[in-house]
Amino acid sequence: GAVVSQHPSRVICKSGTSVKIECRSLDFQATTMFWYRQFPKQSLMLMATSNEGSKATYEQGVEKDKFLINHASLTLSTLTVTSAHPEDSSFYICSARGEEETQYFGPGTRLLVL
Amino acid sequence: GQNIDQPTEMTATEGAIVQINCTYQTSGFNGLFWYQQHAGEAPTFLSYNVLDGLEEKGRFSSFLSRSKGYSYLLLKELQMKDSASYLCAVEANAGNNRKLIWGLGTSLGVNP
Repeated sequence: GAVVSQHPSRVICKSGTSVKIECRSLDFQATTMFWYRQFPKQSLMLMATSNEGSKATYEQGVEKDKFLINHASLTLSTLTVTSAHPEDSSFYICSARGEEETQYFGPGTRLLVL
Repeated sequence: GQNIDQPTEMTATEGAIVQINCTYQTSGFNGLFWYQQHAGEAPTFLSYNVLDGLEEKGRFSSFLSRSKGYSYLLLKELQMKDSASYLCAVEANAGNNRKLIWGLGTSLGVNP
């Protein structure tokens, strides 16, 4: 299967700071990337859909000014959590889709905001 | 509305066969996926069905009936490492995008 990487895998930051998470498709070109959030023992929650070279489409209830998404190339998308607060602590997972229908997931980033 | 239903929990014995069912009601249908997710990890892709019938891949098989809005994941020769959450997801249309509608997952426990 296709390989998707995420960096960092784990981050701890102070309240009020911004955190950037990178998502890369390593062996295929990802025309679309997705950003999810998952709280413990809950289902995946789609935050936004990102198409290369265009603005991301955010799901209802997700603040686009707080969760900045950039998909500047066919292999890289970034999610920046701006002015993070403790309630933003979660498991953030990206996925990428190329020419196939399948979404391949990155390993996830665990964010803890103190 | 969009709805995916699957059992919350299942248990089975090592070496046995288990079937995890999924029913769905979505606006549009571009295919059904099964993913496996171990605790604390991201989902990994298991199978994709877009046409009716059975897709077999090693110990795992997935079945789809579009007319019934029904799928199942069949796991054979269960191993302890198969203890995980199994997520059913349907790709549906959402405006100009296609996105996955997720079930809540079935937590499978495999006992020795």
